This record gives sequence, structure tokens and C-alpha cells, in this order.
Amino acid sequence: QKEVEQDPGPLSVPEGAIVSLNCTYSNSAFQYFMWYRQYSRKGPELLMYTYSSGNKEDGRFTAQVDKSSKYISLFIRDSQPSDSATYLCAMSRFPGGKLIFGQGTELSVKP
Amino acid sequence: DTAVSQTPKYLVTQMGNDKSIKCEQNLGHDTMYWYKQDSKKFLKIMFSYNNKELIINETVPNRFSPKSPDKAHLNLHINSLELGDSAVYFCASSQAWVRETNYGYTFGSGTRLTVV
Repeated sequence: QKEVEQDPGPLSVPEGAIVSLNCTYSNSAFQYFMWYRQYSRKGPELLMYTYSSGNKEDGRFTAQVDKSSKYISLFIRDSQPSDSATYLCAMSRFPGGKLIFGQGTELSVKP
Repeated sequence: DTAVSQTPKYLVTQMGNDKSIKCEQNLGHDTMYWYKQDSKKFLKIMFSYNNKELIINETVPNRFSPKSPDKAHLNLHINSLELGDSAVYFCASSQAWVRETNYGYTFGSGTRLTVV
């Protein structure tokens, strides 16, 4: 069993839809949770960062962490074609520590 | 001005050759990493250096040897390249030991290595 599980998709939605992306994990020691976006042939770029449990909002993006269920989510409101990319969840036990990634979910937003 | 830059972007080489990938960051971060992304886009850590000191060394064949001449540079040398080494290699950096501020890794754009 992988430490971090993420449905690879692909996920296809119409423009304007609300997108929900999720990851589950097995190691309760994880404290730092991140979402990265990776466009084709580019490096991952940090979208959201959350320490411990709770919600965080940034524009159209909301990240949620539920440590009791070992479950994290990323919501994208009013999705745009420019949101089409692979979304990777990632987590670590401490800052600067080993970052464990999910497999990534490929998202396509159709105009 | 690129924050984490890797060279080369593409590398095509024959089995058995030795090659190096270079990485530089201008963010003032104290920790740098090498990650490998396979054909299924799964990212896995290989090495981590903090202030030139090796702190993470995953189960990687010893044909892979990282070197950090200073905290802004991290290079990866690969000996006797094999077909299975074909992947995208990402360099990243972070400011460790920071809790509540905008902690996160900054990745380079990757080096696409093809071994033929």
C-alpha cells in the first residue's frame, strides 16, 4: 500500500464546474500538506500549503485537511480551461523533510 | 529570473555512458532535493541536502551520486546509465524549519533523460 493514494483520473469537467480532488494517506505523522499543479512538460508549482488540520482558501482554490480521517481535498470553483493540468497532493512530517507525493490527478476543463 | 534552474533540459544518451545534471537556486533556501518522475508521473525523492550536508538518501543505486558545492547548487552525476534511468529528474529547494509561513518546495522545470 502506498503512503499516499490519489485517483489518477483522468477527470474531465465543463468550464465553470466545481472540481473536487482528493487524497488519502496512511502515516498519521504527516503534518504539512500541499497541492501542486503541473502543466505538461513543466515542473510542479505550489498551489496551496496547509499546516495540520483545517481549511485554507486562496481565490478559486480551497484546501481542506481532515487529519482524523487522513484525508485531504482541493476544491476548484468556477473551473477554467487554463486549470487543465495534473494536480499532485504532497505531504511531509516536518518542514524540509521528505515530501511524499500522490500519483497525481489529470484534470481537463472543457470550454 | 528563474528561481530554480536545471541544465540541461533534455539529455539523450546511450547505455553505459556517464552524465551530469546541474541545479542552481537563487531563493536563498537552505535545502535542496532531487526527485525522479517516472512515466506514470509519480514523483519520488532521491536525495536531499541541507547546507551542503546530505540528509536524505533514499534507496537509490550507488551509480547516482549527488554533490553540493554550496547551498545554492546541487548536481547529480549518474554513472553507467541504464534504460531504466529514463525519466524526468527534478531539482527542488525549500526553506526548512519554517512552520506557519509559506513553506513549500520550489521545483525546477526538469531534465528529461532518455537512455537508448
